[in-house]
Amino acid sequence: EVQLVESGGDLVQPGGSLRLSCAASGYTFNTYWMSWVRQAPGEGLEWVANINQDGSEKYYVDSVKGRFTISRDNAKNSLYLQMNRLRAEDTAVYYCARATGGGYWYWGQGALVTVSS
Amino acid sequence: QSVLTQPPSVSAAPGQRVTISCSGSSSNIGKHDVTWYQQLPGTAPKVLIYDNNKRPSGIPDRFSGSKAGTSVTLGITGLQTGDEADYYCGTWDTSLNVYVFGTGTKVTVL
Repeated sequence: EVQLVESGGDLVQPGGSLRLSCAASGYTFNTYWMSWVRQAPGEGLEWVANINQDGSEKYYVDSVKGRFTISRDNAKNSLYLQMNRLRAEDTAVYYCARATGGGYWYWGQGALVTVSS
Repeated sequence: QSVLTQPPSVSAAPGQRVTISCSGSSSNIGKHDVTWYQQLPGTAPKVLIYDNNKRPSGIPDRFSGSKAGTSVTLGITGLQTGDEADYYCGTWDTSLNVYVFGTGTKVTVL
């Protein structure tokens, strides 16, 4: 059974940093693209970033470019999102998701990131 | 601001049919297959339709998808109270080089 479990969500001050982790199990981690998707309170889904199987390709939504970094450790079956210079508008539930074909078939339960003073 | 436009809400009585439109452009829907997601309150999204019109195993045939040009449509027949959820379309956008989700549609069963 495919499982994705996020951790690292927290309350952080504006301008601060946070690293989210996603532990994957139940499949061969290094054969799939992985992504982060976020959802602000009461809002819709927003794709944040993705990374290819060996970490050599990464793409980001414009609003996080230069502030967020996606990475993975295939030996640990883990995905990460390093978030720097956080803003109030980054407040959201962050989901780790596995890409299959043109969609996201597997999602974690989400990690809440709150940016507030 | 999403590049895929959906109606904010649709509603109908139990047993009735609703359709949800998702309008995009030549760089996203016009070029790539679309996935529809259902998000029940407080849960992560789930794939409802993939490749525009295919249903994963376990998804009832009350749910259907279609595509025409730069728009896709999700149909739900025999509406049930358990269908109350938010629905999103999603696909890759070649021009933006990002995955884009629709603005989302809340389905209410009257």
